[in-house]
Amino acid sequence: DSGVTQTPKHLITATGQRVTLRCSPRSGDLSVYWYQQSLDQGLQFLIQYYNGEERAKGNILERFSAQQFPDLHSELNLSSLELGDSALYFCASSVGTNDVEQYFGPGTRLTVT
Amino acid sequence: AQSVTQLGSHVSVSEGALVLLRCNYSSSVPPYLFWYVQYPNQGLQLLLKYTSAATLVKGINGFEAEFKKSETSFHLTKPSAHMSDAAEYFCAVRNSGGYQKVTFGTGTKLQVIP
Repeated sequence: DSGVTQTPKHLITATGQRVTLRCSPRSGDLSVYWYQQSLDQGLQFLIQYYNGEERAKGNILERFSAQQFPDLHSELNLSSLELGDSALYFCASSVGTNDVEQYFGPGTRLTVT
Repeated sequence: AQSVTQLGSHVSVSEGALVLLRCNYSSSVPPYLFWYVQYPNQGLQLLLKYTSAATLVKGINGFEAEFKKSETSFHLTKPSAHMSDAAEYFCAVRNSGGYQKVTFGTGTKLQVIP
């Protein structure tokens, strides 16, 4: 158990809909990272937040957005969902903004039908 | 730009045999290198990391990896495979200077045959 929690574990929704994925980092960690894992694209970095502020952006679509709240939990919002958005979405956390080691949550499996 | 290439998306070994998972990296500056393991229906777990100290890095579960700058490689090995090693393994790289995101390889699924 890494100490990072993600909810829900599974999510099934229809195309065009909007969903919110939630992540709680390890106690004491200030950075949260979001990743998308799909069969065709592998593990892709989406975005990082540090202490409530966006720190780095990766291959995140404009239909996707994230935020980190004062209690340090983070939410990833996915809108206008397409079939291709079906994937595993992982959250990871680390203590600082530039840490070598990240701790991964168990992931949320999103299925878009 | 940084990248990693994992040779072989699937590797099969017999129980008790040597495990060798290959990873080559590309980085314009000295890299930090990682191996992560992902068991079915779980998140990634850090196996080991290289951060410019000793070139031979020992990790959890009996795995180790050697950083070879001349070959730009960071292959993962384990002398004797166990059934519980069956999982997907990801090599990852991050540039050492300043803030840099981690770039993951495409993963290698390890099958252990009894």
